[in-house]
Amino acid sequence: NAGVTQTPKFRILKIGQSMTLQCAQDMNHNYMYWYRQDPGMGLKLIYYSVGAGITDKGEVPNGYNVSRSTTEDFPLRLELAAPSQTSVYFCASSSGTKQYFGPGTRLTVT
Amino acid sequence: DQQVKQNSPSLSVQEGRISILNCDYTNSMFDYFLWYKKYPAEGPTFLISISSIKDKNEDGRFTVFLNKSAKHLSLHIVPSQPGDSAVYFCAASAEYGNKLVFGAGTILRVKS
Repeated sequence: NAGVTQTPKFRILKIGQSMTLQCAQDMNHNYMYWYRQDPGMGLKLIYYSVGAGITDKGEVPNGYNVSRSTTEDFPLRLELAAPSQTSVYFCASSSGTKQYFGPGTRLTVT
Repeated sequence: DQQVKQNSPSLSVQEGRISILNCDYTNSMFDYFLWYKKYPAEGPTFLISISSIKDKNEDGRFTVFLNKSAKHLSLHIVPSQPGDSAVYFCAASAEYGNKLVFGAGTILRVKS
């Protein structure tokens, strides 16, 4: 079991560029989540999904989009990257309340 | 409006002594609480949880206490070990299987 995997580990983007952060899980979990963590802050929920084809906004969705075409994958799309999106992004999955996290993607927008 | 607060940004403890990490919450609808541990350059990992129908849950060196009337929970680590040095996040949920709200985290340093 690989658990939750995320790619890439690191990325530097220029302002206005776009990219997709990949997330996959092999635990057959229905629930998947995207968080961002800024320095000295807790994890803020960006988007979540309760199953394939169903997504919903979290606390900080602006500037992001998601899709969930399969149970395993939950990519996060950044359109028109801005410096405020510099952060560490974590993907997580769960079958209940306990969430399992990926190793994170460190994104810098300059 | 922070619904989950960890008011101590950091804590330093001697090896072998007790570490106590605190967490306060404001939303009375929260009924499930979790502690996560995070090492640098890794994702958070689940440590221990407690349901609102309990006031204590124990797992080895880790015990979580819940005081619903005070809307306060704490994580006790006894004895503390250098490998416990990490960031600890408190999280809460208003519904089993639902979204988690995280605190800002407390950096624990255990000195040998």
